[in-house]
Amino acid sequence: DAGVIQSPRHEVTEMGQEVTLRCKPISGHNSLFWYRQTMMRGLELLIYFNNNVPIDDSGMPEDRFSAKMPNASFSTLKIQPSEPRDSAVYFCASSLNWLNTEAFFGQGTRLTVV
Amino acid sequence: KNEVEQSPQNLTAQEGEFITINCSYSVGISALHWLQQHPGGGIVSLFMLSSGKKKHGRLIATINIQEKHSSLHITASHPRDSAVYICAARRGSQGNLIFGKGTKLSVKP
Repeated sequence: DAGVIQSPRHEVTEMGQEVTLRCKPISGHNSLFWYRQTMMRGLELLIYFNNNVPIDDSGMPEDRFSAKMPNASFSTLKIQPSEPRDSAVYFCASSLNWLNTEAFFGQGTRLTVV
Repeated sequence: KNEVEQSPQNLTAQEGEFITINCSYSVGISALHWLQQHPGGGIVSLFMLSSGKKKHGRLIATINIQEKHSSLHITASHPRDSAVYICAARRGSQGNLIFGKGTKLSVKP
């Protein structure tokens, strides 16, 4: 398996634009997590899904952020409208289930909002 | 107070030294993860443990559930071990990971 695949790897956009980040989890994994990493706050959980259903979205900073998982092999994280403070590295991770299994991380998407 | 605390924040060692990074947590957990983040940014899972000790090559991870404490040890450290090591606790009832702030390790030749 190629591991967790995220796209794009880098994204530069202007404030106010819509941004969509994509993630393909490892085949057979039932849980998918979206994280954000900044220098100030470190790694933070934004949202996670189990069997394509959002379980906990309490980490989503505000209504400008939304995430979907239409099927077991694809998830998106959307920011609309984007703001400079959204600049961060966004990681997607998947695991076999949401409790006692190892988490595998994608390479991350570095988002810069100017 | 953070739910997951790591120490030290920064660590510089000479090649060959034995290294210990500590992690304390205050929440109930189902598992504790140790992650490695290289300067390029990618994150790799090193260990996941819920009791006892695990070993992989020169890396050893231990956990004491009663004391809510885990340690990551690196024996015979090497410059290629230079990275940020992150401890993450998986909440027992929820499943999401809560991260420590990380320990930046630099191993000098």
